[in-house]
Amino acid sequence: AQRVTQPEKLLSVFKGAPVELKCNYSYSGSPELFWYVQYSRQRLQLLLRHISRESIKGFTADLNKGETSFHLKKPFAQEEDSAMYYCALSSGGSNYKLTFGKGTLLTVNP
Amino acid sequence: ETGVTQSPTHLIKTRGQQVTLRCSSQSGHNTVSWYQQALGQGPQFIFQYYREEENGRGNFPPRFSGLQFPNYSSELNVNALELDDSALYLCASSQGPLNSYEQYFGPGTRLTVT
Repeated sequence: AQRVTQPEKLLSVFKGAPVELKCNYSYSGSPELFWYVQYSRQRLQLLLRHISRESIKGFTADLNKGETSFHLKKPFAQEEDSAMYYCALSSGGSNYKLTFGKGTLLTVNP
Repeated sequence: ETGVTQSPTHLIKTRGQQVTLRCSSQSGHNTVSWYQQALGQGPQFIFQYYREEENGRGNFPPRFSGLQFPNYSSELNVNALELDDSALYLCASSQGPLNSYEQYFGPGTRLTVT
């Protein structure tokens, strides 16, 4: 069975501070990992995908298969980063079913 | 480009009743996935529709069923509603099941079962 764990429900940092949102997963095969974000009053949207290895809005995430982790990092948090962040896993296959974690609410204080 | 729309926005039903939720996919998208998001939880995959057929299902009982129409819009039907069915139901569309990693989500339908 595949499972995604986000250990922090809430994370609060000050503007300009580094931020790391933790994600651990459980899956026996080769998963694809994603971060989705939901800003206030907006829809859930894809932030980044591990395969693309991009930096989006200053965020990066590295897949660590040894630690089964996919933590999301940003060196200098901005107030506009305040949002709900969901880590998600897909086993790929024919339908790319996404398994989401419970989410972490990030608040960046001025 | 038209985004994913869902109707209704909110719905209140009584235990044992049936409900139909609707979703219009984003222009150019032929695949629709449905998710249930209970309070304080992440979205949970219900099923996916591609070319009017079910293309994968999560751990939900048969009383959760769906349809996809030739214009790629979709319905989620839930029979014999239970209190635990109270949740936000999200619809997401994508350009084919193999591109479902980038799913475009609708605003959701909030279902309350009393």
